[in-house]
Amino acid sequence: AQSVTQLDSHVSVSEGTPVLLRCNYSSSYSPSLFWYVQHPNKGLQLLLKYTSAATLVKGINGFEAEFKKSETSFHLTKPSAHMSDAAEYFCVVTTKAAGNKLTFGGGTRVLVKP
Amino acid sequence: NAGVMQNPRHLVRRRGQEARLRCSPMKGHSHVYWYRQLPEEGLKFMVYLQKENIIDESGMPKERFSAEFPKEGPSILRIQQVVRGDSAAYFCASSPPGTNRDNEQFFGPGTRLTVL
Repeated sequence: AQSVTQLDSHVSVSEGTPVLLRCNYSSSYSPSLFWYVQHPNKGLQLLLKYTSAATLVKGINGFEAEFKKSETSFHLTKPSAHMSDAAEYFCVVTTKAAGNKLTFGGGTRVLVKP
Repeated sequence: NAGVMQNPRHLVRRRGQEARLRCSPMKGHSHVYWYRQLPEEGLKFMVYLQKENIIDESGMPKERFSAEFPKEGPSILRIQQVVRGDSAAYFCASSPPGTNRDNEQFFGPGTRLTVL
């Protein structure tokens, strides 16, 4: 079985300050982990993915995430928030054993204040 | 290379009517997945199809919902006799054939279904 917990349903940051979105996962097999972003009334865009290579993963728009197996975490960070980062972010896990079925976290809505 | 295409983008139905949602995967992709996003929730897996085959439908409601991915044409998610609780965003994703080493799926823009 696999599951994902996003620890914060809402995060509010000021423009120019760091962003941290927390994600913990559970899986019985080696996971693939993803972060997707969804802007209002839009589809999902892949930010970055971890697939058992480097544990520090760099993505688009200055985002990065670190896979920590001992903590079963895959937190997403960005050093300096931009107004355009206001959106909903989903942490996602899957494994080969799950037949490529993606399991989504509940989402974290990010508000960026000027 | 066009991405995953879904149509319509918005669909309004009255209770009891049928809804048909279409998904054209990325060129060269033969695996299609459907997910549902209820208001204020994350996406939930519904069904995984390959050409002419349903591989995993463990997330599909037992009644009124069906999906197909014919040899020719788009994948169709069909909801019969819609109810208000079916109002949601329905997303389609696709992935290439063969071993998908990193399990990445590419998402369409979604169809937002509103049941009146």
